[in-house]
Amino acid sequence: SQQGEEDPQALSIQEGENATMNCSYKTSINNLQWYRQNSGRGLVHLILIRSNEREKHSGRLRVTLDTSKKSSSLLITASRAADTASYFCATGISSGSARQLTFGSGTQLTVLP
Amino acid sequence: DAGVIQSPRHEVTEMGQEVTLRCKPISGHDYLFWYRQTMMRGLELLIYFNNNVPIDDSGMPEDRFSAKMPNASFSTLKIQPSEPRDSAVYFCASSFYDRGRDETQYFGPGTRLLVL
Repeated sequence: SQQGEEDPQALSIQEGENATMNCSYKTSINNLQWYRQNSGRGLVHLILIRSNEREKHSGRLRVTLDTSKKSSSLLITASRAADTASYFCATGISSGSARQLTFGSGTQLTVLP
Repeated sequence: DAGVIQSPRHEVTEMGQEVTLRCKPISGHDYLFWYRQTMMRGLELLIYFNNNVPIDDSGMPEDRFSAKMPNASFSTLKIQPSEPRDSAVYFCASSFYDRGRDETQYFGPGTRLLVL
């Protein structure tokens, strides 16, 4: 079963606006990652936040993590048409040699020019 | 580096046929993952390897699916016999754990499988 659930399932905004996507999960994690997938392509890693971190920035991306609420958000500022893609959160659990990412169902972001 | 390489990119086969998907991970990576993506079930982890050894195959749907990693630079996912419900995009991903400093997974372009 999927660990992370994204909200909203679909989001449509105008170029230049900010886009916020949310992710909720159920169990304890070591890290939470966000990936992007363009239509017909593989997933591309965007950013990772560890369970002891609360906020992280990378360029126009800002990720927050609230482990008490088991939730994360991804903010894309000053969106561009090229940001149109599906965005997935993935919860990471590591123990010994075990490494597992469980992906959510994704948010389809459309940025209108 | 060329990234994760998967072949074929597209495969159309008939029900009952054997299908073999191939993956070459990024050189130096010690983890290799196989995923399946469908509209109905999203992205599912099928199996993953660490240093060529299978660690967790609990996501493999049934005995018709098997995966091998004979060496650090090659892995196969085999479906025998294939069924229409196996139609999906199959992704291979690799990562280098590096004592926890990097847990990013690098995905290949995927193999789009259609079983008629």
